[in-house]
Amino acid sequence: AQSVAQPEDQVNVAEGNPLTVKCTYSVSGNPYLFWYVQYPNRGLQFLLKYITGDNLVKGSYGFEAEFNKSQTSFHLKKPSALVSDSALYFCAVRAPSKAAGNKLTFGGGTRVLVKP
Amino acid sequence: DTAVSQTPKYLVTQMGNDKSIKCEQNLGHDTMYWYKQDSKKFLKIMFSYNNKELIINETVPNRFSPKSPDKAHLNLHINSLELGDSAVYFCASSRERTGANVLTFGAGSRLTVL
Repeated sequence: AQSVAQPEDQVNVAEGNPLTVKCTYSVSGNPYLFWYVQYPNRGLQFLLKYITGDNLVKGSYGFEAEFNKSQTSFHLKKPSALVSDSALYFCAVRAPSKAAGNKLTFGGGTRVLVKP
Repeated sequence: DTAVSQTPKYLVTQMGNDKSIKCEQNLGHDTMYWYKQDSKKFLKIMFSYNNKELIINETVPNRFSPKSPDKAHLNLHINSLELGDSAVYFCASSRERTGANVLTFGAGSRLTVL
């Protein structure tokens, strides 16, 4: 069964500092990996995805993520965090095969708090 | 126009009642989903429909019954509501059900069972 782990419930960072949100996954085969963000009282919004190719993926709002196959990780990063980046971030994985049911499995979420 | 719209946004009801949440997408997507987000923000898939056909049915009590009259609509009916059903329910859609398809989420429907 596929799974996603986000080891930190919350990440605190000062505005202007680098932001990293960790994600590790477990899936059979080459994964499709995603990051979504949820602002208060809103639905999830897509940030970026990894399909194949370059391990560094760039997405919306200056976010990027690095796929590391050997460590089965897909950490989300932003070089300089903004107060407006404060939100709940979800990592998700989908297995490439139909046998896995094509389900998109989410991690437990990491709350990011950026302080001025 | 809202891409994925859910109604109602808030729903407060008594235990034992029956309630429905409606979802509509105007993106022309083939696949729609219902996710449940609990009080700890954990997000879990409940159902998925592709072109009106049920393709994912997780271990959800029989009290929950999805209905997809056409590929733009996916409704969720809940019978005999229990306290544990209190959660935020998100509808989502994607162009297809496989691969790197991105989900577009609605704003959520917060259900409170008293």
